[in-house]
Amino acid sequence: DAEITQSPRHKITETGRQVTLACHQTWNHNNMFWYRQDLGHGLRLIHYSYGVQDTNKGEVSDGYSVSRSNTEDLPLTLESAASSQTSVYFCASSSPGQGAFFGQGTRLTVV
Amino acid sequence: RKEVEQDPGPFNVPEGATVAFNCTYSNSASQSFFWYRQDCRKEPKLLMSVYSSGNEDGRFTAQLNRASQYISLLIRDSKLSDSATYLCVVNGRDDKIIFGKGTRLHILP
Repeated sequence: DAEITQSPRHKITETGRQVTLACHQTWNHNNMFWYRQDLGHGLRLIHYSYGVQDTNKGEVSDGYSVSRSNTEDLPLTLESAASSQTSVYFCASSSPGQGAFFGQGTRLTVV
Repeated sequence: RKEVEQDPGPFNVPEGATVAFNCTYSNSASQSFFWYRQDCRKEPKLLMSVYSSGNEDGRFTAQLNRASQYISLLIRDSKLSDSATYLCVVNGRDDKIIFGKGTRLHILP
């Protein structure tokens, strides 16, 4: 069965370190998205991609970057982790006009 | 105006009752609409798509009103297991998926 997986599921890192969160989907979807979720803020869009070599900034993109070298993967990089980036991160993929499917999330703690 | 707005709740509803949520969206060019369910900060899961003609899935009915730019979700005969946060989702013409902040529902025994 097709799926979308995120790794790691939990991560603790120190302030200032570079961190990369992985997202891999086997749906063959062109559209992929990264969200963060904090209490009181709901899901906020960080970056998204409509296909290979395409990336776009979402509403909270500062301090994050993504790259799309193939259809299956959209890794999210925190260039220099900050305590404000402690959050739950969700990756999703979709086909045009269709609902999105989500990974199980990565809980990131920056200490 | 926010792109997608929902009443955050919580809605505290006795088991067996009917409950309805509304969600408004600002972009009249939006193409596709969905309701998602999210439990305890687990990943959101697609509950149902929303069509102008209205659609039903068991105890759940969804409706889209393009003229007034809102979508609704009706849950009949609510169960304890319906307790969750319900997220309104809108796809724009650019396929960007925008989530509302969600409406919390508590079904009371």
